[in-house]
Amino acid sequence: EAGVVQSPRYKIIEKKQPVAFWCNPISGHNTLYWYLQNLGQGPELLIRYENEEAVDDSQLPKDRFSAERLKGVDSTLKIQPAELGDSAVYLCASSTRTSGAYNEQFFGPGTRLTVL
Amino acid sequence: AQSVTQLGSHVSVSEGALVLLRCNYSSSVPPYLFWYVQYPNQGLQLLLKYTSAATLVKGINGFEAEFKKSETSFHLTKPSAHMSDAAEYFCAVSVGNTGFQKLVFGTGTRLLVSP
Repeated sequence: EAGVVQSPRYKIIEKKQPVAFWCNPISGHNTLYWYLQNLGQGPELLIRYENEEAVDDSQLPKDRFSAERLKGVDSTLKIQPAELGDSAVYLCASSTRTSGAYNEQFFGPGTRLTVL
Repeated sequence: AQSVTQLGSHVSVSEGALVLLRCNYSSSVPPYLFWYVQYPNQGLQLLLKYTSAATLVKGINGFEAEFKKSETSFHLTKPSAHMSDAAEYFCAVSVGNTGFQKLVFGTGTRLLVSP
C-alpha cells in the first residue's frame, strides 16, 4: 500500500513569491491534515479536511494561506505571498474516520520550504 | 487544555545502553497518548499509543512506554539502544472526541547514539 505522497520535497523561493504544496493521501482515507513543523518544534495542525470539507481551519493564517481538497482526495496548500517566517516543513497526514475508535494518522515525508 | 512536555531537547546514549525519553502530559480528561519517531528528511511514524487499555504499551523496534496517571507521565524506554534509533522523537496527546483526534505534539527530543 502506498503511503502519503507529497510534492515537492524541497522548495526554495524568494519572499513575496507564491508557493504551493501538493498531497495525495492513502487511498480510502477520507480525513486529511496539513501540519506546519518549524525547526526544532513539533508539528502544529493548520487544517483538517473530512472529504472535501474543511472542518478545522482555526490555525490557518487565512490572510496568506489557503487550502483546497476539491474532489475529496488530493489536496493543495498555498501561500501567497510567502514571508521569511514561513520557512518550515509542511507535513500532510491522512486517516480513516470511524466513530468511536482511534484513527491513526499516517504522515507523508513533508515539503521543506526555504524562503530567502 | 491538553498538552505534553518533553524534558530534554537532546538525549545522548551509547549503543547498548538504556534509552529513556521523558514526556509529561496535562489533560482534564483521560488522554490518548502517542509517541512518534521522525528520521531525517522523513515524515512521522507511530511508535506506540496509549488508548486507556493496558498501561504498559509495547511498540515497534523494541520501544515501550508506561502510562502513569499519578505522575502524569508517559515516558518512552528501550532496554538497549541501536545506532539506527538515532532520530527525533515526539510525544503527542489527542484532543477531541473519539473518531476525530487533533494531535498536540511536544517539542521533540533528539536521540543521539554513539558507538
